[in-house]
Amino acid sequence: DAGVIQSPRHEVTEMGQEVTLRCKPISGHNSLFWYRQTMMRGLELLIYFNNNVPIDDSGMPEDRFSAKMPNASFSTLKIQPSEPRDSAVYFCASSFSEQGELFFGEGSRLTVL
Amino acid sequence: KQEVTQIPAALSVPEGENLVLNCSFTDSAIYNLQWFRQDPGKGLTSLLLIQSSQREQTSGRLNASLDKSSGRSTLYIAASQPGDSATYLCAVYNNNDMRFGAGTRLTVKP
Repeated sequence: DAGVIQSPRHEVTEMGQEVTLRCKPISGHNSLFWYRQTMMRGLELLIYFNNNVPIDDSGMPEDRFSAKMPNASFSTLKIQPSEPRDSAVYFCASSFSEQGELFFGEGSRLTVL
Repeated sequence: KQEVTQIPAALSVPEGENLVLNCSFTDSAIYNLQWFRQDPGKGLTSLLLIQSSQREQTSGRLNASLDKSSGRSTLYIAASQPGDSATYLCAVYNNNDMRFGAGTRLTVKP
């Protein structure tokens, strides 16, 4: 299996622009997680889906952030409008079940100028 | 609210040494605990997953133990190698939430 695939790997954008991050989970996994990692705050759970349904989005910072999972093999995390404080590495992870072993993608490094 | 702490924050050892990384958590009602490795600029790689009913898991030179009652887990690395240099994170799952520690940055010197 190719593992969890994220794109883009790097994104540099200007404040106010829309950013869309993409994730393809491991085939057969039914839980998908979006995390954000910064030096100051470490790894933070933003939102997770089970069977394509958002279960917990309490970690989403504010209304500028939204996430969708239209089918079992694709998810997006959108930031609109982006701000410099959104600069971080965003990870997608998937697992066979909500409590199962978690597998991470390589991350999308976002820089908002 | 679950809090996960990893000590030490950084560790430097000579090649060949056996070492122990520590992870503690405040809420013992966990489903599982997972150890990860993260190399600079990379994602997290799963090393070991311990279910709440288990006491330990082994993979090659790695051995992870879990003591739920005391809220502790250890990751034992035998015969360390320079390639083991990375940041090691533990994560605890309970109440539909997975909490990560801040990690231990390990350097193994040749």
